Amino acid sequence: IAGITQAPTSQILAAGRRMTLRCTQDMRHNAMYWYRQDLGLGLRLIHYSNTAGTTGKGEVPDGYSVSRANTDDFPLTLASAVPSQTSVYFCASSDGGLGGEQFFGPGTRLTVL
Amino acid sequence: GQSLEQPSEVTAVEGAIVQINCTYQTSGFYGLSWYQQHDGGAPTFLSYNALDGLEETGRFSSFLSRSDSYGYLLLQELQMKDSASYFCAAPGDYKLSFGAGTTVTVRA
Repeated sequence: IAGITQAPTSQILAAGRRMTLRCTQDMRHNAMYWYRQDLGLGLRLIHYSNTAGTTGKGEVPDGYSVSRANTDDFPLTLASAVPSQTSVYFCASSDGGLGGEQFFGPGTRLTVL
Repeated sequence: GQSLEQPSEVTAVEGAIVQINCTYQTSGFYGLSWYQQHDGGAPTFLSYNALDGLEETGRFSSFLSRSDSYGYLLLQELQMKDSASYFCAAPGDYKLSFGAGTTVTVRA
C-alpha cells in the first residue's frame, strides 16, 4: 500500500441500511479525517481523529460515526443511511501539524436510494 | 469557526494568468492552504502560507495578507492540464476548513 486507500470505490445503498466505508493509510500519520464533497459545497469535515484512540466531530457529524482503534485505520459508519448522505466521501491523513499537507484517498462515491 | 469565500468559476485561455482570490473570516487564523482537484480525483496539496507575502512554486504562486484577511493563488502560463477545481483552506485545531472551490477552465 502506498498512501491512503479507500473501499469501496463506489456503492449503491438502500435507505435504512448500515454501511461502513473503509480507510487505511501506511504513512504512520497521527491525524485522519473524513470529508464529504457535494457539488457547490466543497469539502466538509465529518469527523476527525488526532491520534489513535481519539475522535472528534467536524462540521457535519450527524448520522455518521467513526472509530480509531489503531494508527492506520479510520472507518466511517452510516448506521441507517438516508438519501441526503448521497455524496463522495474522502478520507485524508496528515502528520497533524498546523498547515501540514493533508493526503487524500481516492474517494468513495455513495448513492443512497 | 472558519468561513472562506472564493469565486465559483474562472475561464481563461492557454498561456494566460489566472488569479483566484480567497477571503476568510476565522476565529483563529494560522495560515492559508491551497489544494487542486481534477474532476473525479482526490484533492492534492499545492501550497501553504503561514506568513504574509508571496510563495512561488513553479508556475503557481500563493499570496497572503493577514491584515486584509485575504489570499490568492496565481496560476501562470496556463496549460490545459490546469483545468481543475482549486480550494483555499484554513487550518485550525488539527482541522482544515475549505472554501467551496473555484473551477478553472482553460480553453485552447
